[in-house]
Amino acid sequence: IAGITQAPTSQILAAGRRMTLRCTQDMRHNAMYWYRQDLGLGLRLIHYSNTAGTTGKGEVPDGYSVSRANTDDFPLTLASAVPSQTSVYFCASSESMTSDTQYFGPGTRLTVL
Amino acid sequence: GENVEQHPSTLSVQEGDSAVIKCTYSDSASNYFPWYKQELGKRPQLIIDIRSNVGEKKDQRIAVTLNKTAKHFSLHITETQPEDSAVYFCAATINYGQNFVFGPGTRLSVLP
Repeated sequence: IAGITQAPTSQILAAGRRMTLRCTQDMRHNAMYWYRQDLGLGLRLIHYSNTAGTTGKGEVPDGYSVSRANTDDFPLTLASAVPSQTSVYFCASSESMTSDTQYFGPGTRLTVL
Repeated sequence: GENVEQHPSTLSVQEGDSAVIKCTYSDSASNYFPWYKQELGKRPQLIIDIRSNVGEKKDQRIAVTLNKTAKHFSLHITETQPEDSAVYFCAATINYGQNFVFGPGTRLSVLP
């Protein structure tokens, strides 16, 4: 059992390019989340999904989009990357939106030049 | 919306001493307060949590206390060990995952 995985591990991207960060979990969790982590700001929620087919906006959704076609996958897309999106991105999942524990993926370090 | 502050931002203690990290929150409706530990280059992992109907919770060397009136909660680590060195994040939420708001983190260094 892999738990929750993310790809790529790291990426350097030119500004203006499109990029999709992948997240997959095999725990059959209904809820999934995307956070960005910046020094001094902790973790900030970008988007979330209660269950397959539904998504919602978090604290910092601008410039990002998500989809949830099935239970296992929750990709995050940057349509046109900007330098301010340089960050470490963590995907997380929980059994449901009312579950306590969130399990985090290993993270993706994204640099936008 | 909810705002979570965390102090101190960095903390150094001698091995064997205790460490205390404090967080304050703004929304009195928040009812769940987890603490996450993140080692260098690793993912955050839940270490302990507390709900608003409980004042204190312990798990071996780790404890969390909650003061709802003052809207603050604290992480206490006793008999610190070098492997406790990490960044610790507190969070508060009204409705679990949808509204998780994290503090900015505390970098704890346990000196041998």
